[in-house]
Amino acid sequence: SAVISQKPSRDICQRGTSLTIQCQVDSQVTMMFWYRQQPGQSLTLIATANQGSEATYESGFVIDKFPISRPNLTFSTLTVSNLSPEDSSIYLCSVEGQRRTGELFFGEGSRLTVL
Amino acid sequence: KNQVEQSPQSLIILEGKNCTLQCNYTVSPFSNLRWYKQDTGRGPVSLTIMTFSENTKSNGRYTATLDADTKQSSLHITASQLSDSASYICVVRDNAGNMLTFGGGTRLMVKP
Repeated sequence: SAVISQKPSRDICQRGTSLTIQCQVDSQVTMMFWYRQQPGQSLTLIATANQGSEATYESGFVIDKFPISRPNLTFSTLTVSNLSPEDSSIYLCSVEGQRRTGELFFGEGSRLTVL
Repeated sequence: KNQVEQSPQSLIILEGKNCTLQCNYTVSPFSNLRWYKQDTGRGPVSLTIMTFSENTKSNGRYTATLDADTKQSSLHITASQLSDSASYICVVRDNAGNMLTFGGGTRLMVKP
């Protein structure tokens, strides 16, 4: 299993500003995943963060809007830039367990409200 | 396009009653299917995994079934408790690109 700490747990931001979310894992992992969960919806993968290389973004998500850092094997940040009310969501960091079963372990999530 | 559809979207039951949540998928080729429980304000936590050869698997009061022919899975909760109130998410992994497809979730509320 993996223990994942995310912060902030919640924040209220003004339109046009940015928010950076931090994710710390208690073990070294190759890939870290960032998900968005809009109100009442399920999870959508934003990007996969690999240490030492550029993040891989899913369709509909771009680096300018969601820059990601991955400085080492236990830490990553996701920035949500130029905020608009449509960015109000829960953002979750995740890592994968044993490759054989592929269980995902999630952080507690960061609830963002944009005014 | 791979899809995972869950029903019902929401459900309210009385404490002590049983309920069954459904998950239909079109993911192919199929690798495995997981049910996750997401408490309010928390990240999802895996309840059980179903692989192609498994029909039924229990985890305490939770029993998952899989019919790979009809591409359907269910999660049955027995003798529900207030702490079962959560969203239940069905996630299917394909065996080609190792991609995950998430269902929309079922929001369960157990009332005393």
